[in-house]
Formats: sequence, C-alpha cells, structure tokens
Amino acid sequence: DTAVSQTPKYLVTQMGNDKSIKCEQNLGHDTMYWYKQDSKKFLKIMFSYNNKELIINETVPNRFSPKSPDKAHLNLHINSLELGDSAVYFCASSQDGGYSYEQYFGPGTRLTVT
Amino acid sequence: GENVEQHPSTLSVQEGDSAVIKCTYSDSASNYFPWYKQELGKRPQLIIDIRSNVGEKKDQRIAVTLNKTAKHFSLHITETQPEDSAVYFCAASRVGASGSRLTFGEGTQLTVNP
Repeated sequence: DTAVSQTPKYLVTQMGNDKSIKCEQNLGHDTMYWYKQDSKKFLKIMFSYNNKELIINETVPNRFSPKSPDKAHLNLHINSLELGDSAVYFCASSQDGGYSYEQYFGPGTRLTVT
Repeated sequence: GENVEQHPSTLSVQEGDSAVIKCTYSDSASNYFPWYKQELGKRPQLIIDIRSNVGEKKDQRIAVTLNKTAKHFSLHITETQPEDSAVYFCAASRVGASGSRLTFGEGTQLTVNP
C-alpha cells in the first residue's frame, strides 16, 4: 500500500565503498526526485527524472549517479563514499501538469559513512 | 537560481496560541509555494500549498498567504496543539509539465508547549 518506498532504511558503510539506494513509487507518477537532507535538516534537490529522462542535475559530485530503469523506479548509486556523504536521502515523486504538483516523499535512507 | 529564506528558525508557543512562519523568495518566475511538515525521523509531508494566482488559502487551522509583489509568503497555524510540534519547511518552485525544482527554506522548528 506504500506510495513511495526506499531501500534500505539505514546504511552504514566505510569510506571508499560503493553503495546503492533504491526507490519505487506505485502512484503512477511521471517524475521522480532525489533529495539530500544534511545534519542541519537542510533539504536540497539532487536529481529529477521525468519518464526516465534526466531533467534536473544539480551541482552534485559525479560520484553520485542516478538511474531510472522505468518511470516507477529511481535508484542512486554512490561511488567512493566520503564522510561528507553522511545524510538522509529522500526519494520523491509527483504527477505534474494538472491538478496537483505535490511531491510525495519516501521514508528516507539514513546513510552513515565511517 | 531561486533562493528561499525562512524565519524564524525556532518558534515556541503555548498550546492554543497562533504560530506564524515567514518566507521570502528571489525568483519572480516562481509560481508554486508548498509547505511541508516533518516530524522527527519521518518524511516531509505536504500540509498546504498555494499557486501564484491566489493570494490566500485556508484549510481548517492552517492558512497560507502570498504577496507576489514583495515576494514573500507565510504560514499561519491557529489554535496550536502539541501534535503540531515539528519542523516546517517552505519551498518555492517554477512548475511545469516535467516536474518542478523545489527550493526549500532552512526550516522552522515549532514547539507547542502544553
């Protein structure tokens, strides 16, 4: 029944490792997003995909690579993890161009790099 | 790009009092202004939004006002309750058919004291 889901919920890893976070939405939305929330709670957009096409690509290190196999899924792969990557990563989705522009957020993935 | 400033960063009120949070934005082309509530350890959830062709919107105890000329918008919560305690984020965006780039304010930690 979950609208936007993410796995894993928690991720603890060491510097230099490569990890992936997965996101799925069952709302039939066309657009999906990745946001990063740092330790000060600041929310900042990283990427956006619309119908599998990259729309927004903020100034993010190229160690971060999103991938959308279909419009219901948006994954985030991070190479060579650094301490500063520790944050909560939220996936979101929206159905735009009509009645609502609401972005629905997933539960978040808390990434801790040691 | 868009820049959103939010004040205050913390707000403490007594139960039953009103709470007001204010935001300013920089991009005059922004046309969508949502407010999100984030409880501790949870995902951000939309509580109310307003589009640029509307000056005010109300939903029970929550209201949002928008002044396009001055480029500021505000959230008003009346008859506050302890369960209103959370971090509130304003955001601004120029929406389109392929999604929207939400630029968030830095958040306001609201505490409602019983």
